[in-house]
Amino acid sequence: KAGVTQTPRYLIKTRGQQVTLSCSPISGHRSVSWYQQTPGQGLQFLFEYFSETQRNKGNFPGRFSGRQFSNSRSEMNVSTLELGDSALYLCASSLGTVADGQPQHFGDGTRLSIL
Amino acid sequence: AQSVTQPDIHITVSEGASLELRCNYSYGATPYLFWYVQSPGQGLQLLLKYFSGDTLVQGIKGFEAEFKRSQSSFNLRKPSVHWSDAAEYFCAVVTNTGNQFYFGTGTSLTVIP
Repeated sequence: KAGVTQTPRYLIKTRGQQVTLSCSPISGHRSVSWYQQTPGQGLQFLFEYFSETQRNKGNFPGRFSGRQFSNSRSEMNVSTLELGDSALYLCASSLGTVADGQPQHFGDGTRLSIL
Repeated sequence: AQSVTQPDIHITVSEGASLELRCNYSYGATPYLFWYVQSPGQGLQLLLKYFSGDTLVQGIKGFEAEFKRSQSSFNLRKPSVHWSDAAEYFCAVVTNTGNQFYFGTGTSLTVIP
């Protein structure tokens, strides 16, 4: 069974640009969550999608948005990029929602660097 | 607010020695508890989870963890560490009324020959 696939693996952008990251969950998984990982802040929750609906959102500005498609694939978009957005962005999928206590399965992440 | 504390930022152990990584959580009820491991340049891999029942849970790669309600702890243990265990370890909590994973800040494990 294929794992969680994130594309691209690496991305370099400049300030002010926007970026879209993609996540394909494990087949059958309906929940997709996104996290930002930085050395200073650790792992921070961005949002969770389940059945194409955003269930929860972390404490991030509106520049961070996402969506989920009918096949459970998800995209995350960051607009007006700032230097502080440089991070590893991780996607995780699970059968049920986070609140169900379902363990999450993580992709290898997209490393975003802002110049 | 829920929080997860991993008091040890970095631990160094000799190969073959035993290991214990500490995790404490702050929440009124018993949450769902997880341990994940992250190797450099990769995502997180689930080691084990606790929902209810037996307080000693077995995971992959020879790891186990013990839930202690009185101490609000969920410490990870391994009797004999292998060089391949060198990685970053994260404890995570989800409350049964919650909506997200709360991760600890991680413990970096170095294994010396």
